Amino acid sequence: DTEVTQTPKHLVMGMTNKKSLKCEQHMGHRAMYWYKQKAKKPPELMFVYSYEKLSINESVPSRFSPECPNSSLLNLHLHALQPEDSALYLCASSQPGGDTEAFFGQGTRLTVV
Amino acid sequence: ILNVEQSPQSLHVQEGDSTNFTCSFPSSNFYALHWYRWETAKSPEALFVMTLNGDEKKKGRISATLNTKEGYSYLYIKGSQPEDSATYLCAHNAGNNRKLIWGLGTSLAVNP
Repeated sequence: DTEVTQTPKHLVMGMTNKKSLKCEQHMGHRAMYWYKQKAKKPPELMFVYSYEKLSINESVPSRFSPECPNSSLLNLHLHALQPEDSALYLCASSQPGGDTEAFFGQGTRLTVV
Repeated sequence: ILNVEQSPQSLHVQEGDSTNFTCSFPSSNFYALHWYRWETAKSPEALFVMTLNGDEKKKGRISATLNTKEGYSYLYIKGSQPEDSATYLCAHNAGNNRKLIWGLGTSLAVNP
């Protein structure tokens, strides 16, 4: 199984809503990532978990709250988002370290209204 | 070079043509160079992770070379096919457990 599964595929939420994005992998990877991607731009790193501990937070606003309940799951909790947060949110996993390939999910297309 | 730069930004070729594009990255503090292919409506797919200067990797009709001293990598596609149409992204990692720095990608369109 070389899949990273993200749910939901699409999400529309209001600025006062609370929602969560979910990501799951069963490849035994111990590093998991959240990226944000806007049109015609490369993926922008948000968070990295390594061995279930948050190792990188790229100064992401607190309205985005990551969680790694176990080595297979990664969540991104969303609260009080702004319209400019509308983007494709990608999850990825790999072995820790920067010299192994990352496997990406198909992403969640988020629209904040 | 402070960032990862890719050229050209976009490319249109005919089926059967061979093509190549460039990724430039800071030559100091090199750890790894990644190439990904991203097709529309799909997830990015890893092509190569390269770590050694002078390394050359191949996957089918696609190959890549790496020059860490001068800070560039080339991606070659031999005999392009329409299914090769995608955005090709490279990403540089400057050290263990550091983040990937991504280029803006080269968008390839292969016309039948």
